[in-house]
Parts: sequence; C-alpha cells; structure tokens
Amino acid sequence: NAGVMQNPRHLVRRRGQEARLRCSPMKGHSHVYWYRQLPEEGLKFMVYLQKENIIDESGMPKERFSAEFPKEGPSILRIQQVVRGDSAAYFCASSIELAGALDEQYFGPGTRLTVT
Amino acid sequence: SQQGEEDPQALSIQEGENATMNCSYKTSINNLQWYRQNSGRGLVHLILIRSNEREKHSGRLRVTLDTSKKSSSLLITASRAADTASYFCATSRGGFKTIFGAGTRLFVKA
Repeated sequence: NAGVMQNPRHLVRRRGQEARLRCSPMKGHSHVYWYRQLPEEGLKFMVYLQKENIIDESGMPKERFSAEFPKEGPSILRIQQVVRGDSAAYFCASSIELAGALDEQYFGPGTRLTVT
Repeated sequence: SQQGEEDPQALSIQEGENATMNCSYKTSINNLQWYRQNSGRGLVHLILIRSNEREKHSGRLRVTLDTSKKSSSLLITASRAADTASYFCATSRGGFKTIFGAGTRLFVKA
C-alpha cells in the first residue's frame, strides 16, 4: 500500500508564475489536508478537503491560493502569481475518515517550492 | 489560538543519552500527537496520546500528558544517531484541524 504521494518534490517558479502541487492520498483515504512549512517553523494548516468538497479553508490565504480534490485524480493546491514569500515546503496528509479525536493523518514527503 | 510550543528549540546530546522534549499548549484538547521530521523529508507519526491518558510508551519513546498544566513531554531513551531529526507536537480538539508547534531540533552525536 503506497503512502501519500506528492509531486513534484521540488518546484522552482519565477515571480508571477503559477504553481501546481499534487497530492495522491493513501488508498482508501478520502480526507486530504494541506499544510505549509516555512523555513525553521512548524507546519501551518491551510485547507481540509473531502472528495469534491472543501470542508475548511480557514488557513489558506484568500487570494491567489486555491485547492481542489476532484472525484477522480489527485488533490491539487494551486498558487497563482507566486511571490517570494510563497517559498516553503507544502505537505499533504490524508486520513481514512473523520473519526473524532483518533484520526491519524499520514503525511506525504512534501513539495518544496522555491520562487525566484 | 491554540498552539503547541516545543521546548527546547534545539537539543544536542551524545549517543546513548536520553533526550527529553516538552510541549505546551493553550486550550483544551482531545489528543496530542508527536511527529518526527528528518531533514528534507515528510512527517512521521510517532505516537498519539488522548486527553484522558497520562502516559504512553512505544519502543524507546515515552510520552506523558498533563492536562492540568497543558503540557506534554517526549522522552527518547538510549538515543541513537538515527534519532537526529526535528520533533513536533501537534494538538487536536477533535475533528480535522491539527495545530503544530515549531518543533525541537534534536542532534545526537555518535
């Protein structure tokens, strides 16, 4: 059973370009979470999605950032018109279901975005 | 807002010694989890302790939780060079949003 997969692992974009980060959850997992980790800091929650639904996007900037988790295919985190401050590691996690306090989220290896 | 804060920020010990990391948080929680992150890699879930538990063991790991003090500790016994990593505590009030602290960077010298 493959773990959570993210691609690309490294992404370099110039200011103003778009960045697309993909996350394939573990088999059987229908809940996906995106986190951002700035250098030397902990992870910050961005958005929580179930298939075709955004459940909580309270941690995601209102502008330029969007996320989706379609019925088929991976979850996508899209950052439009990237700026240098978007440079960070973006982690995706998945869980099998929302089971109250006992959820264990499985994390992917992350995508390291560098904006030049 | 609730957030785990790890202490110390960085810790350097000799192989074979024990490493203790602490985590404090601000609001009531349903569970607290510890994760490890090796440099350049993703997070690995280590252990989850529920709010009604006081202590939990997993191999060389021992986690305690004191809800009255809103604090938790992670003890790694007989440390190894391979334990070198960043360790994060994460708190959850139930549901889907997990709040992470900034982490403790542990360096174990061989």
